[in-house]
Amino acid sequence: KNQVEQSPQSLIILEGKNCTLQCNYTVSPFSNLRWYKQDTGRGPVSLTIMTFSENTKSNGRYTATLDADTKQSSLHITASQLSDSASYICVVSIQTGANNLFFGTGTRLTVIP
Amino acid sequence: DTGVSQDPRHKITKRGQNVTFRCDPISEHNRLYWYRQTLGQGPEFLTYFQNEAQLEKSRLLSDRFSAERPKGSFSTLEIQRTEQGDSAMYLCASSLGGATGDEQYFGPGTRLTVT
Repeated sequence: KNQVEQSPQSLIILEGKNCTLQCNYTVSPFSNLRWYKQDTGRGPVSLTIMTFSENTKSNGRYTATLDADTKQSSLHITASQLSDSASYICVVSIQTGANNLFFGTGTRLTVIP
Repeated sequence: DTGVSQDPRHKITKRGQNVTFRCDPISEHNRLYWYRQTLGQGPEFLTYFQNEAQLEKSRLLSDRFSAERPKGSFSTLEIQRTEQGDSAMYLCASSLGGATGDEQYFGPGTRLTVT
């Protein structure tokens, strides 16, 4: 069964600290993996996308990693800011069909001053 | 702003009423998707269009739900005889299409509250 699981479900960190969010998936045939940021009451916005051959992808203070062998990904946020408070959703895409996205339930990150 | 717009952003309605949402995708995008998202969950697929053709519908899309995309541009999602369980965020996304795994760009969503 194609599934995407994320941990932790929620996280509270102090401003300026780093954090790492986890994503495990059992989706195949794998096409790519994306991390989305979703602010409260807004639609998801893509942060990074990685294909099978990519291990690391950075976007400013966000760095995503992918281990295709263990089917795990992580999103590391460096020097967190208050504006990082949001839900972070891991989305895995399969190679077939147009309805090809599998969504995790997200990690709710709260950055406090 | 991803370029995908949705209207209205918020809708409060009484149980039993009909509601209609609109989505305007990025202009050159051939594919348009509708998702439903409840609190603390990821988006769930409802349906998608390739140009004006509705090619796939989820089992979540009961007969009270209907979606259209006339002329392959904007799309509407109508919910008839709303129920409290319909309360959710309804997200629209669009993509260029033609390539497996092409990126979907999401709109800001329409938050529906059924009282």
